[in-house]
Amino acid sequence: EADIYQTPRYLVIGTGKKITLECSQTMGHDKMYWYQQDPGMELHLIHYSYGVNSTEKGDLSSESTVSRIRTEHFPLTLESARPSHTSQYLCASSGAAWGVPLHFGNGTRLTVT
Amino acid sequence: SQQGEEDPQALSIQEGENATMNCSYKTSINNLQWYRQNSGRGLVHLILIRSNEREKHSGRLRVTLDTSKKSSSLLITASRAADTASYFCATDTDTGRRALTFGSGTRLQVQP
Repeated sequence: EADIYQTPRYLVIGTGKKITLECSQTMGHDKMYWYQQDPGMELHLIHYSYGVNSTEKGDLSSESTVSRIRTEHFPLTLESARPSHTSQYLCASSGAAWGVPLHFGNGTRLTVT
Repeated sequence: SQQGEEDPQALSIQEGENATMNCSYKTSINNLQWYRQNSGRGLVHLILIRSNEREKHSGRLRVTLDTSKKSSSLLITASRAADTASYFCATDTDTGRRALTFGSGTRLQVQP
């Protein structure tokens, strides 16, 4: 098992609330990613980072934001949650080389009521 | 549209049978990777095949790659109930940003 941790595991929250999904890895990986996945569906890249102070938006338009102040930490924030944000959010990391396998956390399942 | 699309979307077999899943992609790749996802969990990397490779084995897994057809297949031999999961292909390309693009997945059910 890879050492990448996501908290909380499950989150139910009301519309309009601000939330932060945590992701930490202990492998010293430079690259980190956030994917969004509806149950049983494909993964969509929403944010990625190639290193500290580097963040980019992915393919799927997202109202979330990310930060990368420390190598091991890549939190995702929703300023105002909406029911359309209900989904599973998966964090992943990989080493410095390009195209190497990703290590995934177990995800945060978010429900916005 | 997705870089990788998988076929079939769902597959149900008996224990001991072989399971074959296919993945097609659109643009040229550096490598193609297969991942497994148990229900409600993250993805776990299974195998990586580079664009200059045609076949690769890992235990009961066999992956083939045909770059002329832009397709790959994953074969699981002698399946077990514990193989029940979703399987995704993911491509690494040189176009634009370097992040894996995942297919739509095949949901495999192995009946004991």
